[in-house]
Amino acid sequence: EAGVAQSPRYKIIEKRQSVAFWCNPISGHATLYWYQQILGQGPKLLIQFQNNGVVDDSQLPKDRFSAERLKGVDSTLKIQPAKLEDSAVYLCASSYRQGTEAFFGQGTRLTVV
Amino acid sequence: AQSVTQLDSQVPVFEEAPVELRCNYSSSVSVYLFWYVQYPNQGLQLLLKYLSGSTLVKGINGFEAEFNKSQTSFHLRKPSVHISDTAEYFCAVSENNAGNMLTFGGGTRLMVKP
Repeated sequence: EAGVAQSPRYKIIEKRQSVAFWCNPISGHATLYWYQQILGQGPKLLIQFQNNGVVDDSQLPKDRFSAERLKGVDSTLKIQPAKLEDSAVYLCASSYRQGTEAFFGQGTRLTVV
Repeated sequence: AQSVTQLDSQVPVFEEAPVELRCNYSSSVSVYLFWYVQYPNQGLQLLLKYLSGSTLVKGINGFEAEFNKSQTSFHLRKPSVHISDTAEYFCAVSENNAGNMLTFGGGTRLMVKP
């Protein structure tokens, strides 16, 4: 079966610009996650969706980050405006339902200069 | 709130030697435990998981881990490592009454030398 697809793989932007990442989860997976992985650290959950509803976004910096999952399938994560400290790999993951294994995409590496 | 501590940021080891990567967690409720591996420029791949039952869990690539509830640990072991095992390893915990929102440790870089 196809895995979790993310695009782009790499993105370089200047601070204060905006950027968007896209994620296509494994077909049939109801739960979708966005994680931020700063270099040298473990991934940190930003937001969790169950179908098209938000389950947890307590660690999402809502003043600049937004995410949506229209129709309960694909998801986009946006940063506007970006800061230098947003440089990280953004990982998308999906699972069949809550409590089951999460499968990760390859990530989008964002560099803010 | 749950947290995960991986005590070693880097573990150098010679090829064919045994290795143990340490993981301790804290949580006020029962948990699920996971080990993921991340190769350079790749996403995370599940190595093994503990949900319930036997405390000794076997995973892919010859890895195994043992859940120790009294010590709140879930250490990862392999009896004989290969060069190809060089990667970053992450321990993660999910409180089993909170969906499967994963909290990750800081990671351990396993460096296998010839």
